[in-house]
Amino acid sequence: SQTIHQWPATLVQPVGSPLSLECTVEGTSNPNLYWYRQAAGRGLQLLFYSVGIGQISSEVPQNLSASRPQDRQFILSSKKLLLSDSGFYLCAWTQGSFGNTEAFFGQGTRLTVV
Amino acid sequence: GESVGLHLPTLSVQEGDNSIINCAYSNSASDYFIWYKQESGKGPQFIIDIRSNMDKRQGQRVTVLLNKTVKHLSLQIAATQPGDSAVYFCAENNYYGQNFVFGPGTRLSVLP
Repeated sequence: SQTIHQWPATLVQPVGSPLSLECTVEGTSNPNLYWYRQAAGRGLQLLFYSVGIGQISSEVPQNLSASRPQDRQFILSSKKLLLSDSGFYLCAWTQGSFGNTEAFFGQGTRLTVV
Repeated sequence: GESVGLHLPTLSVQEGDNSIINCAYSNSASDYFIWYKQESGKGPQFIIDIRSNMDKRQGQRVTVLLNKTVKHLSLQIAATQPGDSAVYFCAENNYYGQNFVFGPGTRLSVLP
């Protein structure tokens, strides 16, 4: 069966520090991968998605970046965190070349920038 | 586009009553819809989906209704239980889309 792992679960980082969140998927190949951010009490904002290794599409311009070094690995990064980067970050995957299937989510990373 | 920056509306229902959560979607080309449930501090979990060639689909205690004419989706939960308390999101996609577009979410609060 397929599983998605996301870590760390919680993170407290000072303003200006770097960020690296990792997400891996098991039990499938060539998934579409996504990073979402959710502010407290609000909806899901798509940040990045990837349809293959090295292929990243950005939905929202900001000081975050994403990389996909391996087929089932998706990394969210920042060189210098801002206070506004605080939120709940979710990784997700879908199967296939098109998005017409269910998206499976990780358990999320709660990031607090102080 | 995505519903970002909106505070969640809240629906309060009595335990045992039926709940109806509504969602309006914007893209007439969307042909696949999902309802997700998100409990506090966790990732969204799949509840039920429906494709555009259907108007209604039933699961265990849940029913999704799709009205393509007015671009409206609803989730009905029968005999709502305390464990149903969560935020519910609808999501839309189309066959050629790479992304899901999520609705703003509704917080369901079940009263004892």
